[in-house]
Formats: sequence, C-alpha cells, structure tokens
Amino acid sequence: KAGVTQTPRYLIKTRGQQVTLSCSPISGHRSVSWYQQTPGQGLQFLFEYFSETQRNKGNFPGRFSGRQFSNSRSEMNVSTLELGDSALYLCASREGRSYEQYFGPGTRLTVT
Amino acid sequence: EDQVTQSPEALRLQEGESSSLNCSYTVSGLRGLFWYRQDPGKGPEFLFTLYSAGEEKEKERLKATLTKKESFLHITAPKPEDSATYLCAVQAGDSWGKLQFGAGTQVVVTP
Repeated sequence: KAGVTQTPRYLIKTRGQQVTLSCSPISGHRSVSWYQQTPGQGLQFLFEYFSETQRNKGNFPGRFSGRQFSNSRSEMNVSTLELGDSALYLCASREGRSYEQYFGPGTRLTVT
Repeated sequence: EDQVTQSPEALRLQEGESSSLNCSYTVSGLRGLFWYRQDPGKGPEFLFTLYSAGEEKEKERLKATLTKKESFLHITAPKPEDSATYLCAVQAGDSWGKLQFGAGTQVVVTP
C-alpha cells in the first residue's frame, strides 16, 4: 500500500497570506490527524477528522482550520499567516479501529 | 494534565554500545503508548505500540517495554543507521486521534 502523501512538500509564504496544505491518507484509512512540529514546541496536535467530521481539536487559534472529503483526503488551511507559523506540518492517518497513526513526509512551511 | 517526558535529550553512542531511552508519562486512561523514529526533514516512522504494563515488543535491535508509569526503548548493539530522533507518544482517554508527544531523544551512533 502507498503511504501517506502530502503536498506541497515545501512552501514559502509572506506574513498575512493564507495557505492550504493537502494530505492523502493510506488507502482504507478514514481518520486523518494534523500536527505542527517546531524546534521549540515539538509535535503538537492540531485536529482530527473522521468520516468528514472534526472529532477533536488542539489548542490552536481559529486561523487554523481543516476539512475532510468523502474520499478521506484532508486539507488544512492557515489564514493570516504569522512568522511563528513557520513549521513542519505533518498529517497522519489510521484505520478506524486502530490507535496507530502513520505519518506523511510533511510540508515545510516558511513564513517571511 | 497529561504529560510525556523523555530522557535523555541526546545520546551519543559508539557502534555496538547498547543503551536505553526513557519515556515517563502521566495520563488519564492510557489507550496506548507509541514509539516513533524520525530522521531529519522526514515524518515520524512508526515503530511500536504498547497497550498494557508488562508488554514488550521487539524489532531488530530495538526492544520496547512498558510499566504503569514509563516505557523504555532499548537499543542493542546499535549501528550508525540507528542514528535518529526517537519519539514517544501517548493516546489517552477519549482524545480521538490525538497523540501527545514527548520532546524526543536524539541518538547519534558513531562507527
């Protein structure tokens, strides 16, 4: 089976802009979680989607949002970008009955 | 509040020198404890899941164990290709899809 894929792999944006990142889960996985990874804060949970519904959300401002489509693919959006949003954004997928999450390669976002 | 603490922060080993990494946790209703390996610039790679105290899992030179308050990742006779950051994470209670991660242990194995 193909692994989790994320696009784009690298992105450079200017402060104030918005960005959309995409994630395709492993075939058959219906849950997608998003994480932000920075050197200072480590890996932090953003939100989780299952069957197109957001089931859990981390402690991030409303500028961070996401959605999931009927084919389980997911997108996350960050509006009004700040310098502090520069990070590696990771998505992970899992089967509905398992707790194990499998990560994609990430999208490296740089905000200038 | 749930917490995951990993130690040491960094570990430098000679090839063949075995060692252990520690992950201590305080969490309500542990559903599972996970170990991942992460190489620079890449996403975490799944290694093990442990569900209950006393459980052990092995894969090549790695062995993970779990008690009620901590987990250990033992690296036996490491090779340079075992150099990576090892991350511990917990899934707690009803926190669907949310893994809480420790800060990681950066392991460097020199020939």
